[in-house]
Amino acid sequence: EVQVVESGGGLVQPGGSLRLSCAASGFTFSSYAMTWVRQAPGKGLEWVSTIGGSGSSAYYADSVKGRFTVSRDNSKNTLYLQMNSLRAEDTAVYYCAKEAKLYSSGWIWGFDPWGQGTLVTVSS
Amino acid sequence: DIQMTQSPSSLSASVGDRVTITCRASQSISNYLNWYQQKPGKAPELLIYGASSLQSGVPSRFSGSGSGTDFTLTISSLQPEDFVTYYCQQSYSTPRTFGQGTKVEIK
Repeated sequence: EVQVVESGGGLVQPGGSLRLSCAASGFTFSSYAMTWVRQAPGKGLEWVSTIGGSGSSAYYADSVKGRFTVSRDNSKNTLYLQMNSLRAEDTAVYYCAKEAKLYSSGWIWGFDPWGQGTLVTVSS
Repeated sequence: DIQMTQSPSSLSASVGDRVTITCRASQSISNYLNWYQQKPGKAPELLIYGASSLQSGVPSRFSGSGSGTDFTLTISSLQPEDFVTYYCQQSYSTPRTFGQGTKVEIK
């Protein structure tokens, strides 16, 4: 079964740091890009970051650029999100997702599956 | 960045109704459009990819159409478990932007 499971969330003070992890199983981890998406309480989905399968390319939302770093350890089938200089507006459930390659009149990328999410609360 | 605009943001309907949700991209994205369903307290799930292809296991009452900038998600006959939130998302370019979501509520 293809599965991703996040961990590492919690309560952190403004300006603090936290590292999220996402353990993957059931697929060849190094062959797929992986993505972090967050959802603030009662709000919609916000793409945060994507990293390529080899880890050599990474992309960030403007809202987290320079503060968050995405990485991966393909030997451990694990994705990470290092979050520094956290702000109250970073409070959200953070999901990791595999960027699946699907065929529909050509190759399409979609997020599937998603993990259950891990809650990050930034508050003093 | 490509902006995705969904409408309506919420709608009220009854079991058995046919409903349509629209999603508009700020520039052409060909068919690089996905739809997700999110139940309360749960992670989103991929419903439709490539604008019109049903993900495995998704009931046939769901369908998608469109290309370029305008897309629709249609539920042909609403079931009780369909009263949740739906999001569109473009995979044409990074950042992979989402629409703001459409909450389908019971009338």
